[in-house]
Amino acid sequence: AQTVTQSQPEMSVQEAETVTLSCTYDTSESDYYLFWYKQPPSRQMILVIRQEAYKQQNATENRFSVNFQKAAKSFSLKISDSQLGDAAMYFCAYRSGSSGTYKYIFGTGTRLKVLA
Amino acid sequence: GAVVSQHPSWVICKSGTSVKIECRSLDFQATTMFWYRQFPKQSLMLMATSNEGSKATYEQGVEKDKFLINHASLTLSTLTVTSAHPEDSSFYICSASSDRNQPQHFGDGTRLSIL
Repeated sequence: AQTVTQSQPEMSVQEAETVTLSCTYDTSESDYYLFWYKQPPSRQMILVIRQEAYKQQNATENRFSVNFQKAAKSFSLKISDSQLGDAAMYFCAYRSGSSGTYKYIFGTGTRLKVLA
Repeated sequence: GAVVSQHPSWVICKSGTSVKIECRSLDFQATTMFWYRQFPKQSLMLMATSNEGSKATYEQGVEKDKFLINHASLTLSTLTVTSAHPEDSSFYICSASSDRNQPQHFGDGTRLSIL
């Protein structure tokens, strides 16, 4: 069975600085997707970035980028130029690309605090 | 695009009543919808997966007679908490996906409080 681990329960970053959130996963599959979701205090789940396992190039979305290390089964999220609005819970998620279900396996989350 | 609407956002009701939560995909057809439960400061716990026109698949430990899920159309799924009790109080979130190449899009969640 697949597992997702987020080893940092909480992180802090100074406004305008860069922070990296870690995520590791375990799977025997070769075809899968990885996601980062943000959950602010409003509790809405917002898709931040996604990565297809077959793509070697790391995904980027504006200030957000990932470091995808397939062999190491690592999928970290880098937030550059951190803003106060980035403060939230961040969840890493895994989804199989080959099974019939689209269900996610979530990590336990990392709470990010942004200091003014 | 890819908007999912969940209603109601907050409901308070007496113990023993049944509560229905709706999840609608507004601008896409959701072949698969998911229902999650989230306890304070914890991750999302998948309760069940529903495919349009077929019975929901429940995760281990989730009572299917307690949490009734209906996915009658490609844009609507409902979760009914039957005979709710205080221990059912929680935050419930739905999500929807159109196909295997698309991510799940989440509703805003429903805060359920049972008195």
